[in-house]
Amino acid sequence: AQSVTQPDIHITVSEGASLELRCNYSYGATPYLFWYVQSPGQGLQLLLKYFSGDTLVQGIKGFEAEFKRSQSSFNLRKPSVHWSDAAEYFCAVEEDDKIIFGKGTRLHILP
Amino acid sequence: DVKVTQSSRYLVKRTGEKVFLECVQDMDHENMFWYRQDPGLGLRLIYFSYDVKMKEKGDIPEGYSVSREKKERFSLILESTSTNQTSMYLCASSFGQGSGDTEAFFGQGTRLTVV
Repeated sequence: AQSVTQPDIHITVSEGASLELRCNYSYGATPYLFWYVQSPGQGLQLLLKYFSGDTLVQGIKGFEAEFKRSQSSFNLRKPSVHWSDAAEYFCAVEEDDKIIFGKGTRLHILP
Repeated sequence: DVKVTQSSRYLVKRTGEKVFLECVQDMDHENMFWYRQDPGLGLRLIYFSYDVKMKEKGDIPEGYSVSREKKERFSLILESTSTNQTSMYLCASSFGQGSGDTEAFFGQGTRLTVV
């Protein structure tokens, strides 16, 4: 069965600094991969998704992610974070229509 | 805009009560999901439905059942609640894999407290 690992439970960065959130998956075939964000008290919002093609995908709010098959990774990046990016971020993988989530990474922003 | 609507935002129930959590989507999605979200555990899949009257167990189905009598509606049933079912419950829906786009859309969640 597929699984998703987000090794960092909490990450703290300064406003304006760059960000990388890690995600590793286990799945035999080419996966469908997603990053979602959940702001405090809000529902989950899709940031970006990878189905096929270009391994660098662009999303909303200035986020991007790179699919690396050799490393089974789909890391999320942003060149310069804003205080409003403080939230919880979830990586997810889809197999046979079932969507499985990682445990999430909570992002804290220092002023 | 896709809309996934959960019937309640907050519920408080006593141990042993039966609870129905309702979810409705308006995008004609084939797939519907129920997750529970707990701090440090992320979203865990309880049940998944890929068509009317069709369902599959997720990772944590114990203590739960589901019903999907109509395509737009997916209900989560807690037959006899226990305190360890206190959690945030999230409903989601998506198109089937044949559509080439399986992004899940989420409701706002139901925070259930069992006392």
